[in-house]
Amino acid sequence: DERLVESGGALVQPGGSLRLSCVASGFTFAAYGMSWVRQAPGKGLEWVSTISNGGDTYFLGSVKGRFSISRDDSKNILYLQMNRLTVEDTAIYYCAKTRNWFDSWGQGTLVTVSS
Amino acid sequence: QAALTQPPSVSGAPGHRVSISCTGNITNIGAGFDVHWYQQVPGTAPRLLIFATTHRPSGVPDRFSGSKSGSSGALAISGLKAEDEADYFCQSFDTSLAGYVFGSGTTVSV
Repeated sequence: DERLVESGGALVQPGGSLRLSCVASGFTFAAYGMSWVRQAPGKGLEWVSTISNGGDTYFLGSVKGRFSISRDDSKNILYLQMNRLTVEDTAIYYCAKTRNWFDSWGQGTLVTVSS
Repeated sequence: QAALTQPPSVSGAPGHRVSISCTGNITNIGAGFDVHWYQQVPGTAPRLLIFATTHRPSGVPDRFSGSKSGSSGALAISGLKAEDEADYFCQSFDTSLAGYVFGSGTTVSV
């Protein structure tokens, strides 16, 4: 079975940084694009970033220049480096196996940005 | 403000049929991009329900079906069951935003 497990969420002050990780298993990680999707408390889903299987990266406009996405295909791990965090970044962050849709999701990790 | 518009809620009696609309524009669904659908039970992660507008992943009952016309997509749930109570989100790609976009979400009550 495909499995994605996120970690790294925490309470952080505005302006701070955080790195999220997502460990994948049950599929050929290197063959697929991977994404981060977030959900603010009580709100809908919002795509954040995607990295293709070739390493091309794409970002939501409001996080461009602050967030970076990377992957380690030797360890089956996806990362999201988040810098200059704002209260608007508070959300559950999900990693998802990606084609043009998101066909497997992790359980999510909570990022809270607050002073 | 979500790029794709969905009704906030729909409801139906057990055994009945409901439909959820997903309205976009010429930069996303109207540009020919597929619509995909997710089900989210509160407190859990989203689950893929329909991909590439009309296709169901293995394990998804055939009570769920998808369609598209012009700049809008739709999800139909027939033979409504109590277990179908959840939030449903549509998703596509938007050329002007250069990224994936989601609908605002619809809560289904049975």
